[in-house]
Amino acid sequence: TQLLEQSPQFLSIQEGENLTVYCNSSSVFSSLQWYRQEPGEGPVLLVTVVTGGEVKKLKRLTFQFGDARKDSSLHITAAQPGDTGLYLCAGLEKVGAGSYQLTFGKGTKLSVIP
Amino acid sequence: GAGVSQSPRYKVAKRGQDVALRCDPISGHVSLFWYQQALGQGPEFLTYFQNEAQLDKSGLPSDRFFAERPEGSVSTLKIQRTQQEDSAVYLCASSLGGIRWATNEKLFFGSGTQLSVL
Repeated sequence: TQLLEQSPQFLSIQEGENLTVYCNSSSVFSSLQWYRQEPGEGPVLLVTVVTGGEVKKLKRLTFQFGDARKDSSLHITAAQPGDTGLYLCAGLEKVGAGSYQLTFGKGTKLSVIP
Repeated sequence: GAGVSQSPRYKVAKRGQDVALRCDPISGHVSLFWYQQALGQGPEFLTYFQNEAQLDKSGLPSDRFFAERPEGSVSTLKIQRTQQEDSAVYLCASSLGGIRWATNEKLFFGSGTQLSVL
């Protein structure tokens, strides 16, 4: 199983600030997904990136997949209290015949203070 | 509802007790996954089903953990002789696709079962 490292582990910022969180691996993934998880709930998919160098935007969120498909970043512009949550990256890899694994990083816990 | 449903929402067990956690995936979803999430950590893979076939159980931490999906829909994760280190949130997820995972495949997660072993 490949490992994904996320940084920073914790981030506390004021409303209106910009931020970037990172997801890094030493190995290549078929695709990479970003999830957001709120307390007491399961993760919810935000985006999937597949192609090296790919950039996707979702309102104030910008996701980038590294050229070598080993790393990714999530940039949030003008953060709002509603952005508070645990942001998880997850890499998809094929393991053996007929099985795929989605391996998660440990997450970045974001708090946006009003 | 249309989402993934898990029950119970919370479970408190005494050390040594057996527990069973239930997952109702989205109707028609072929793939079903179980994950374990410790406090402050990301989810860790336990096992994967494609319909009723358990194709990967490499993440199950010990032989006390057992999962089944006998009719290819509802799944049960059973933990025998629970220990304190089993305390965690157990997440179930389902997806529409099966063996040919599409690059835009989407996992839908339930809200989880929070297990506390005293």
